[in-house]
Amino acid sequence: QKEVEQDPGPLSVPEGAIVSLNCTYSNSAFQYFMWYRQYSRKGPELLMYTYSSGNKEDGRFTAQVDKSSKYISLFIRDSQPSDSATYLCAMSALRASGTSYGKLTFGQGTILTVHP
Amino acid sequence: DGGITQSPKYLFRKEGQNVTLSCEQNLNHDAMYWYRQDPGQGLRLIYYSQIVNDFQKGDIAEGYSVSREKKESFPLTVTSAQKNPTAFYLCASSISRENLGYTFGSGTRLTVV
Repeated sequence: QKEVEQDPGPLSVPEGAIVSLNCTYSNSAFQYFMWYRQYSRKGPELLMYTYSSGNKEDGRFTAQVDKSSKYISLFIRDSQPSDSATYLCAMSALRASGTSYGKLTFGQGTILTVHP
Repeated sequence: DGGITQSPKYLFRKEGQNVTLSCEQNLNHDAMYWYRQDPGQGLRLIYYSQIVNDFQKGDIAEGYSVSREKKESFPLTVTSAQKNPTAFYLCASSISRENLGYTFGSGTRLTVV
């Protein structure tokens, strides 16, 4: 069983739709959660990160973490064709001091297409 | 502009040959990483380096080798021992190993023919 599971999609939505991207994980030591966006033939770029359970908003993007269910989500409101990309969740365990072990574990990535 | 440069963008190799992928950064980052990306598999860690002249194996190091002679450079050699080398290779860096704010390069697509 993989430590992080992410539905690979592909996911196709009309412009303006609300998109929900999800990951589940099995390692309860994961405390730091990130979402990356990757355009075709490019490297991933960091979208959002969060340490705690609950919601974190940044413009049209909301990251949600439920540690009790080991489940994280990324919501995209008013989706645009420019949001078409692969979205990767990533997570890491933290030491008691709050610093990381320096290793990110990635999900498989979800391919999203937003059509006009 | 600061960033990570990977070259070449596309690389073709004959079976049985070694090939070296370049990764250079001018961000003054201490830590550097190599990932492999395959369809449906996400990113898998090959090797990482926290400091010059030091590196550690990741989850899938077999058939790969690295060096870290300069802070700016972390080349990856794909050897003939790597059974399935065709993949998209990504290099990343971060300020330190404890800092998870990775900056990625644009990747190298390696195809074995």
